[in-house]
Amino acid sequence: QSALTQPASVSGSPGQSITISCTGTSSDVGVYNLVSWYQQHPGKAPKLLIYEVTKRPSGVSDRFSGSKSGNTASLTITGLQADDEADYYCCSLGPSTYLFGTGTRVAVL
Amino acid sequence: EVQLVESGGGLVPPGGSLRLSCAASGFPFSAYWMSWVRQAPGEGLEWVANMNQDGNQKYYVDSVKGRFTISRDNAKNSLYLQMNSLRVEDTAVYYCARSSDHSWAYWGQGMLVTVS
Repeated sequence: QSALTQPASVSGSPGQSITISCTGTSSDVGVYNLVSWYQQHPGKAPKLLIYEVTKRPSGVSDRFSGSKSGNTASLTITGLQADDEADYYCCSLGPSTYLFGTGTRVAVL
Repeated sequence: EVQLVESGGGLVPPGGSLRLSCAASGFPFSAYWMSWVRQAPGEGLEWVANMNQDGNQKYYVDSVKGRFTISRDNAKNSLYLQMNSLRVEDTAVYYCARSSDHSWAYWGQGMLVTVS
């Protein structure tokens, strides 16, 4: 199975909102409400931001939110901050495997 | 505090073997599914394998089936990944991660495996 498709890069100014898309198929994103999102700073382990499409773990800022429509999931970051500059990955359960997205680099201008 | 500490990485020639270990602490290890996720240099994340609490359910990404084996020792709070017939494309940082709700809230620091 192929990786989920994300835009290579997204940018925004401090305070703005951005949305990262994650496109899969009817065999993964479209059929399971089991999409998660991760933030990764250079040289660091990934950090869980969202699980089960819309749920936020304790301690994660409410500036991060998730949604899904059909075969596409989305992560929205509101009130963009300098520390949000990082790589972001979506992940979904698929048939007998987990699929990560191709990754999106977020730049804060 | 949940801690996952990987060990056992290093440089190995193509066709060689390596065993990664992950020492877990700060939570009831035997109560959780556990996973290995890897990241090739400059590339994205790739799920490698996972297993359930008592080890009777194991799943692998197609590219490592028949070559890698995930295992655990609940008495030692440890997760393992035996990697055989290693290929250049297996070069990556390997993360141990605790599974919950089909996601990973806790990760190790990562261990570099270089096949060259």
